[in-house]
Amino acid sequence: DIQMTQSPSSLSASVGDRVTITCRASQSISSYLNWYQQKPGKAPKLLIYAASSLQSGVPSRFSGSGFESDFTLTISSLQPEDFATYYCQQSYTTPFTFGPGTKVDIK
Amino acid sequence: QVQLVESGGGVVQPGRSLRLSCAASGFTFSSYGMHWVRQAPGKGLEWVAVISYDGSDKYYADSVKGRFTISRDNSKKTLYLQMNSLRAEDTAVYYCAKEKEQWVAQGYFQHWGQGTLVTVSS
Repeated sequence: DIQMTQSPSSLSASVGDRVTITCRASQSISSYLNWYQQKPGKAPKLLIYAASSLQSGVPSRFSGSGFESDFTLTISSLQPEDFATYYCQQSYTTPFTFGPGTKVDIK
Repeated sequence: QVQLVESGGGVVQPGRSLRLSCAASGFTFSSYGMHWVRQAPGKGLEWVAVISYDGSDKYYADSVKGRFTISRDNSKKTLYLQMNSLRAEDTAVYYCAKEKEQWVAQGYFQHWGQGTLVTVSS
């Protein structure tokens, strides 16, 4: 199975900050990497698919980059509604695996 | 708009069975692959199973293989997860999720239900 890791596991940031979350796959997954946002008690929401494609309706302050095994989610200017947990997920092959998550909270 | 509504969760004893359902609306159900994803209390997300748009292909996580069965009834626009031989570690919120694109199971979970809680406890 492909293992996904994320760093950091949590971070504290202020509104307006630029935030970067890193995801690494245990083997090359080309661009088959997706990012989700989850708020407490809610279902996850797809933000970025295929490493860098912005899902329709998602604000442009979210962006994704990377290829093969190293990927990044960037929030250019953190907004109050962005405080949540973020998960990466590989869709290269089954079993589709998720990273452990990065919790973004208010500094 | 797309709606996915899970049902069937509850408290069940170890070793027993439970069947979850996911009622779909707002899209052509028979054109999309569908998934089950679970989340144990306070933990991360774990993909469970996928079924192709026509039910011909199914894949499972190793943790549930041989115990869980994913199926669908396109005439009823409903996805199912039959869970047998349940264990305490199966305790989780179970989400159904719809693929982003028609006809293929790419693993892009574009729409999610609200989830249904399964608790396995004696």
